[in-house]
Amino acid sequence: DVKVTQSSRYLVKRTGEKVFLECVQDMDHENMFWYRQDPGLGLRLIYFSYDVKMKEKGDIPEGYSVSREKKERFSLILESASTNQTSMYLCASSLGDSWGANVLTFGAGSRLTVL
Amino acid sequence: AQSVTQPDIHITVSEGASLELRCNYSYGATPYLFWYVQSPGQGLQLLLKYFSGDTLVQGIKGFEAEFKRSQSSFNLRKPSVHWSDAAEYFCAVGAYNTDKLIFGTGTRLQVFP
Repeated sequence: DVKVTQSSRYLVKRTGEKVFLECVQDMDHENMFWYRQDPGLGLRLIYFSYDVKMKEKGDIPEGYSVSREKKERFSLILESASTNQTSMYLCASSLGDSWGANVLTFGAGSRLTVL
Repeated sequence: AQSVTQPDIHITVSEGASLELRCNYSYGATPYLFWYVQSPGQGLQLLLKYFSGDTLVQGIKGFEAEFKRSQSSFNLRKPSVHWSDAAEYFCAVGAYNTDKLIFGTGTRLQVFP
């Protein structure tokens, strides 16, 4: 089975702190994604990456950055955390061989609380 | 640009009853369509997908969905719900020219014994 592992399930940070959310996949997938999940808003795409060192903005990139130095690892960075970034963050990966038709495999999520 | 609407925020059914969760999409061509399920405290798991061909698709856990082009819908159904089906369900749409998936806002299913 493809596994997507998010290293932190729960984090509590203070306003202004720099936050790193790490995601690792073990099936050599090309694409990796970061979504944010909020009640009533569903999943919103923050950033995605289709290759090492490549990234594209999603629908809500403001306040976030990403890093993909190795194919298996995709990090989400909050440079200066704010209370409105309190949310559930979901990482996903997909094979990348067929636009639009790729199945996403999700990690279990990282619940971030910013105080 | 594509979009997805799940009109029902919360649905409650009795165990053993039938279920239909609604999903409507907006896209200029035939989209790729997905249903995912999220159990409490978990990530999302694929239930089923439609890419082409037979418009009635079967998925895991006894779920099925039907693509209706004329209604721009991809509703999820199950003939008899089990208590373990209580979860949040997300419909998603993909397009030919991007790897991004657009998700609906989700429908939370509650099952009473």
